[in-house]
Amino acid sequence: SQQGEEDPQALSIQEGENATMNCSYKTSINNLQWYRQNSGRGLVHLILIRSNEREKHSGRLRVTLDTSKKSSSLLITASRAADTASYFCATDGYSSGGSNYKLTFGKGTLLTVNP
Amino acid sequence: EPEVTQTPSHQVTQMGQEVILRCVPISNHLYFYWYRQILGQKVEFLVSFYNNEISEKSEIFDDQFSVERPDGSNFTLKIRSTKLEDSAMYFCASRVQGGTGGAQHFGDGTRLSIL
Repeated sequence: SQQGEEDPQALSIQEGENATMNCSYKTSINNLQWYRQNSGRGLVHLILIRSNEREKHSGRLRVTLDTSKKSSSLLITASRAADTASYFCATDGYSSGGSNYKLTFGKGTLLTVNP
Repeated sequence: EPEVTQTPSHQVTQMGQEVILRCVPISNHLYFYWYRQILGQKVEFLVSFYNNEISEKSEIFDDQFSVERPDGSNFTLKIRSTKLEDSAMYFCASRVQGGTGGAQHFGDGTRLSIL
């Protein structure tokens, strides 16, 4: 199944603008997480929102979750050139193993913030 | 802040050879994972490991793959007879035990190139 599909695939904005990325998923989840990946580096955890939460904030990040639509959005406010990276949503749900909480990633959004 | 470390950063191997990718998870973490990312594609789950045994594996994780935690600190992924299609970034991740999942901490990955 295609879990965690982000859109847009690429987003280019000017420094200071807000960036919004969306994610859709198909199966039931425990939580949804957003990760960032700088070119050639590993994934860095940004924020986690549980299935019973609708909105969460962390610094300049705001995440929403709509379980009825199986969708989430990540808003980065007042963007900076250093925010340039790929952003992935990942769903974390029960699997046949019971408690291993594997992550299922989307293809990601490549965000470019121009100075 | 504690980090997941992976070695080597880049591994070049002839097709058919065995490779071992190494990871040192964060010391108090109990769940361990391997993921891979083929260039331009999604990050894909390979295997999860808990309590010294595999808790779940994906269809990708066939008999050519194995994992081991030989000494309580290292976590290794072995590919016995590499194929061209094994070329990818391989990420190790770990997380603390938690009742409803949580953030996974990723290493910077090993780029595996099969010739």
